[in-house]
Parts: sequence; structure tokens; C-alpha cells
Amino acid sequence: EPEVTQTPSHQVTQMGQEVILRCVPISNHLYFYWYRQILGQKVEFLVSFYNNEISEKSEIFDDQFSVERPDGSNFTLKIRSTKLEDSAMYFCASRKGQGLGNEQFFGPGTRLTVL
Amino acid sequence: SQQGEEDPQALSIQEGENATMNCSYKTSINNLQWYRQNSGRGLVHLILIRSNEREKHSGRLRVTLDTSKKSSSLLITASRAADTASYFCATDAGGAQKLVFGQGTRLTINP
Repeated sequence: EPEVTQTPSHQVTQMGQEVILRCVPISNHLYFYWYRQILGQKVEFLVSFYNNEISEKSEIFDDQFSVERPDGSNFTLKIRSTKLEDSAMYFCASRKGQGLGNEQFFGPGTRLTVL
Repeated sequence: SQQGEEDPQALSIQEGENATMNCSYKTSINNLQWYRQNSGRGLVHLILIRSNEREKHSGRLRVTLDTSKKSSSLLITASRAADTASYFCATDAGGAQKLVFGQGTRLTINP
């Protein structure tokens, strides 16, 4: 069964460093998302991406964040200068299409630890 | 605004019993989805119920949706130890169809 994959599973970085989190969405899906979950808290939406552009972003997704679909398969989230509060689990998700009944499928997540 | 608030926050039952978790939300939705998350792991999609549906079944799962009350429930029948996890409801309110998650219910099944 097709699934969303994410790499790395765990990333440790120093404050101020840039990180790139990678995702491979399900191949025939058209809509892509990043969410994050700070330890012990709920999952929060960061950004949605469709047709090679951002379709919606949350207030969390400030100028330090960017997303890219550099080729036909990868979807990346870049944090330019990490802060301690960026430590969280980052989930990528994808969805086939629009409409009432399209599930979002999530990857296993990347645990980002900023020291 | 808080969308998708689950209750209870924690539920502990004996293996074999049924577990019911509730979710309330505030705005109109396209659909509501339930996910399971084992400790520190990814989100596993369980079931989606559309706004024009009232009840849906999948194996031991039963989901109801009451759009007039803006609420949903997830029933797990004949619970097993492996059902121990956190359960989240997430609402899809249209537009870019981002999901808005609740705080989750932490379910513990005691053997």
C-alpha cells in the first residue's frame, strides 16, 4: 500500500542552523501539507501546497520557513535559522484531491531537536 | 478558535470493554477524520466521515457525526491492549482543506 515517507526520522541541530526536512508524498496525490506537534501538544497546521505554490499557511509559518517541491516526488520544509521552540515532531501529509471525502495520509514524522 | 476538542482527555478501561471518545467542533466542515497515534509515533488514519453522513463503520470502529450539534463520536468495540494510543479528531473545513486537530484522548486498555 502506498504511503508517505519522511527523512530523517530524527534530526538534531544547533540553534541558528538551517534544517531541511524531506517528504515523499503518495505518488498520485496533488495536495501536500506540513504539520507540527510540540511534545505533549496537539498537531498544528503549518502550510498547504498545491500546483507548485502555497495555498494556505498558518501564523506559525513565518519567514524562517519555506517549502519546495524540487522534483516530481519530493516535498521539503526548510527552517532557515532554527530556534529552541522549533523543537517538535514535523509531519508531512498528502491528499489525492478535493471534495468531501479525501483522506489526508500522514508520514511517520521527523523529530527535530534544537539545542 | 479551538476546533476539534476531544473528551475525555484520558480514558482507561479493561480489555474487552467498549471505548467511546467524543469530539466537538465550532465551524462548518467538509468532513471529520479520526487518527490514532501511538506514543511518539506517526498519525494513522482510521476513518473519515463526510458532512452528509451520520454514521460509518470500519471493523471495530464506529463513528457518528451530528452536524447540528457539531459533534462526533468514535466507538471502539471489544477493545484490545493494542488499541492503547492517543486518538485525535481532525476537521476539514474547506479551502485548502487543512486539518484542524483537537487535543486528543489518551486511551489506555488494561489487560
